[in-house]
Amino acid sequence: EPEVTQTPSHQVTQMGQEVILRCVPISNHLYFYWYRQILGQKVEFLVSFYNNEISEKSEIFDDQFSVERPDGSNFTLKIRSTKLEDSAMYFCASSVSGEKLFFGSGTQLSVL
Amino acid sequence: GNSVTQMEGPVTLSEEAFLTINCTYTATGYPSLFWYVQYPGEGLQLLLKATKADDKGSNKGFEATYRKETTSFHLEKGSVQVSDSAVYFCALRAGAAGNKLTFGGGTRVLVKP
Repeated sequence: EPEVTQTPSHQVTQMGQEVILRCVPISNHLYFYWYRQILGQKVEFLVSFYNNEISEKSEIFDDQFSVERPDGSNFTLKIRSTKLEDSAMYFCASSVSGEKLFFGSGTQLSVL
Repeated sequence: GNSVTQMEGPVTLSEEAFLTINCTYTATGYPSLFWYVQYPGEGLQLLLKATKADDKGSNKGFEATYRKETTSFHLEKGSVQVSDSAVYFCALRAGAAGNKLTFGGGTRVLVKP
C-alpha cells in the first residue's frame, strides 16, 4: 500500500539553526498537511497546502515557518530559526480529496 | 473554537476484554468526526469516521456513533486483541473536506495476553 514517507526520523539541531523536514506524499494526492505533537500534548495543525498554495494555517505557523513543494513530489517544512519550544514530533499528511488523510510516521525534532 | 476531549490513558486490558474510549467535542455547526489509530513506529491511520448525527462508523471490529445530543463519539470494541495495542486519537473536522483536523490528546491502549 502506498505510504507517506518522512525523513529524517530524528533530527537534532541547535537553537537558532534552520531545519528542513522532508516528506514524500502519496503520488496522486492533492492535499498536503503538516501537524506537530509536543511531548504530552495534543496533535496540532500547522498548515495545509493545495493547488500550490497555503490553504489554511494556524497561529503557530508564523513567519519562521514555510512550506514548499519544490519538484512535484517532495513537500517540505522549513523552520528558519529554531527555538527550544519547536521541539516536537512533526507529522506530514496527504490526501486525494481532503477527506481521508494519510500520515507519515513523523520526524522527531529536538532543539538544544 | 473547536476542541476535542478524550479520556487519558493508558488503558490496560486483557485480551478479549471490552474497550471503550470516551470522546466529546465542542464545535459550531455539524463537524465530521474521526478516530485515528497510531501503531508503534507508524503514522496515524484513519480507523473510522462519521459525518452526520446518528451515523455509526465501523472498522476492524471498532464502532463509534455520532451523538449530537451529547456531543460525543465514543469508540468501542467488544473483544480486543494484543494487536489492538496502540494510541487512539479522536478528531473533528469543521466544514468541508480539506479543512484541518482538530485532535484530542490521544489514549494509549495496552492489551495484555
